[in-house]
Amino acid sequence: DAKTTQPPSMDCAEGRAANLPCNHSTISGNEYVYWYRQIHSQGPQYIIHGLKNNETNEMASLIITEDRKSSTLILPHATLRDTAVYYCIVRVAGQGGSEKLVFGKGTKLTVNP
Amino acid sequence: DAGVIQSPRHEVTEMGQEVTLRCKPISGHDYLFWYRQTMMRGLELLIYFNNNVPIDDSGMPEDRFSAKMPNASFSTLKIQPSEPRDSAVYFCASSRYGELFFGEGSRLTVL
Repeated sequence: DAKTTQPPSMDCAEGRAANLPCNHSTISGNEYVYWYRQIHSQGPQYIIHGLKNNETNEMASLIITEDRKSSTLILPHATLRDTAVYYCIVRVAGQGGSEKLVFGKGTKLTVNP
Repeated sequence: DAGVIQSPRHEVTEMGQEVTLRCKPISGHDYLFWYRQTMMRGLELLIYFNNNVPIDDSGMPEDRFSAKMPNASFSTLKIQPSEPRDSAVYFCASSRYGELFFGEGSRLTVL
C-alpha cells in the first residue's frame, strides 16, 4: 500500500471549516483514499473514502487532486466533538471490498472554543 | 445492530498469565481484524480473517500470540504467556464492503 504523509497536529476554531491535508504521491491507480478518525479512548471511526472524484457525506467532504497525489478532508463546521486523531490511508479495495488497512500516525486535530 | 462487541473492556494480569480477548463482529460481516494500539507504535494490524479463515497473520508479534475464529460470530485473541510489553489496547474490527467498524477495545495491562 502507498504511504501517506500528514501533519502531526492542527488547530481549528469551533464553527470554522477544518481542512486536513494528506500527501500520497506514490498512490497507484487502483488505490482508494480512506479517512478514519479516533476520538480519545474509542475505536477508530470511518469517515469517507474516494478514488478520484470528490466525495461528500453527512460527516465530511473529500477533495482529491487531479493527479491523485494529495487529498484534503474538510469538516465544514468543526465542533469540539471533532477533536480527534484523523488518519488518511490509501489501499486497494479488492473484490468484496476488504483488504488490510494500515494506519499511520495521523493528524491530531484540536478544535478550540 | 449493537456494533462490534469486545470483552473484557479492561484486563489487569500478572506476567506469565494467559490472556484471552473476545470479539463478536457485526452480523453479516465477512472480514474480522485484530489491531493493537500503543503510544509508541500506534495502531498495528495483527491478523485478519475472511469467512472465518485467517488470511494474513504477519503482524502477530510472536508465537505467544494466537487468534481463532471458530464461527462467523466469534473470535478470540490469546496471549500465553503474557509479558509487560504486551500492555496495550486491543481492537477488533469487522467489515463487509470495505468500511471497517471497530469495537471499543480491550485495555490490557500486564504487571
